[in-house]
Amino acid sequence: GQQVMQIPQYQHVQEGEDFTTYCNSSTTLSNIQWYKQRPGGHPVFLIQLVKSGEVKKQKRLTFQFGEAKKNSSLHITATQTTDVGTYFCAGRRYSTLTFGKGTMLLVSP
Amino acid sequence: EAEVAQSPRYKITEKSQAVAFWCDPISGHATLYWYRQILGQGPELLVQFQDESVVDDSQLPKDRFSAERLKGVDSTLKIQPAELGDSAMYLCASSHRLAEGDEQYFGPGTRLTVT
Repeated sequence: GQQVMQIPQYQHVQEGEDFTTYCNSSTTLSNIQWYKQRPGGHPVFLIQLVKSGEVKKQKRLTFQFGEAKKNSSLHITATQTTDVGTYFCAGRRYSTLTFGKGTMLLVSP
Repeated sequence: EAEVAQSPRYKITEKSQAVAFWCDPISGHATLYWYRQILGQGPELLVQFQDESVVDDSQLPKDRFSAERLKGVDSTLKIQPAELGDSAMYLCASSHRLAEGDEQYFGPGTRLTVT
């Protein structure tokens, strides 16, 4: 079945440092979604990427979808303590959305 | 802002007992999902409904789990009998329609502990 892998599992940064999480799929995806889950909370939709090579920005967050539509990345510039949480990618193939295991981000002030 | 409602928020049950969770999606959302999330893992899809019909239940352990959405609105997920390994967060999500690219709105979840 479809597998979606994320690295790293965990990252601890100082406030102001950059952060990147990577997502890789075993199969070509039709699109990829990114979610953020705060500690004790539920996943919240951030963005969706559809086109090969697509890049989208949301303030300090930059999302990329690979040319082969099998990988994606989320980059946060100058992290803030409010960025703390687990970031999940979710790859869609046909009607099935498969979540990765997530990258937990800790930010120290 | 409309939200997905779930109850109960927490449930403690003994193994071999029956347990049920309820979900009320955002009004007008035709697609409803039940996920199981183990601590430190991503959500794992259990069942997906389009209106009252099951679209995907390939990952649902059907010997003990059942799900229904009789009127195509709210939904119930049942486990009978519960096992220790069922301890997890059970998340419900909804989206406008079953289509590629629809964002999912998650409820607060039900934290199940089986003792």
